[in-house]
Amino acid sequence: AQSVTQPDIHITVSEGASLELRCNYSYGATPYLFWYVQSPGQGLQLLLKYFSGDTLVQGIKGFEAEFKRSQSSFNLRKPSVHWSDAAEYFCALAGYSSASKIIFGSGTRLSIRP
Amino acid sequence: GAVVSQHPSWVICKSGTSVKIECRSLDFQATTMFWYRQFPKQSLMLMATSNEGSKATYEQGVEKDKFLINHASLTLSTLTVTSAHPEDSSFYICSASTSAGATYNEQFFGPGTRLTVL
Repeated sequence: AQSVTQPDIHITVSEGASLELRCNYSYGATPYLFWYVQSPGQGLQLLLKYFSGDTLVQGIKGFEAEFKRSQSSFNLRKPSVHWSDAAEYFCALAGYSSASKIIFGSGTRLSIRP
Repeated sequence: GAVVSQHPSWVICKSGTSVKIECRSLDFQATTMFWYRQFPKQSLMLMATSNEGSKATYEQGVEKDKFLINHASLTLSTLTVTSAHPEDSSFYICSASTSAGATYNEQFFGPGTRLTVL
């Protein structure tokens, strides 16, 4: 079955500290992988995506993610967080078909400690 | 580019009334639109997928007679919550994709509509 697991419900980091949000997936092959961010009461903003090629993907706002096939993981990282990064982060996957559904993880809420 | 809008951004209605939410692709033609709902502090759950000019495909457990979806044009899809009840209160988000020849058709998300049923 296809699924996305985000094991951390809530993470708090200090401003300026590094961040890693975990994401594991279950899929029969290598899926398309995404990270989205959602501020309270807002829609989703795409941070980055992995389709193929280089397993280290650069995104917007200084975020990056690394695809590790052997671990079925796609963890999101940022070297130094800012207070404005406080939000909900969703990892997601989609299959290869042309109108494939996106399957979302349960989300990780990020809080920033001043 | 690839902007999706939703209207209204929030709506409050009385129990038993119907509410229509619009989803528009502003700068591209959306052959497929998706409707999600999100309860507080939860993830997005896909409700249905609609292709322009076709009937929507609903996910298991979603009542198609309660959540009417129309995708009459390549830039507009509507979700009508019929006879709304307080348990229908949620955040509804649409997304749109275009079959522009790509292997994967990326979905672009709208800003969401907050529905509160009193």
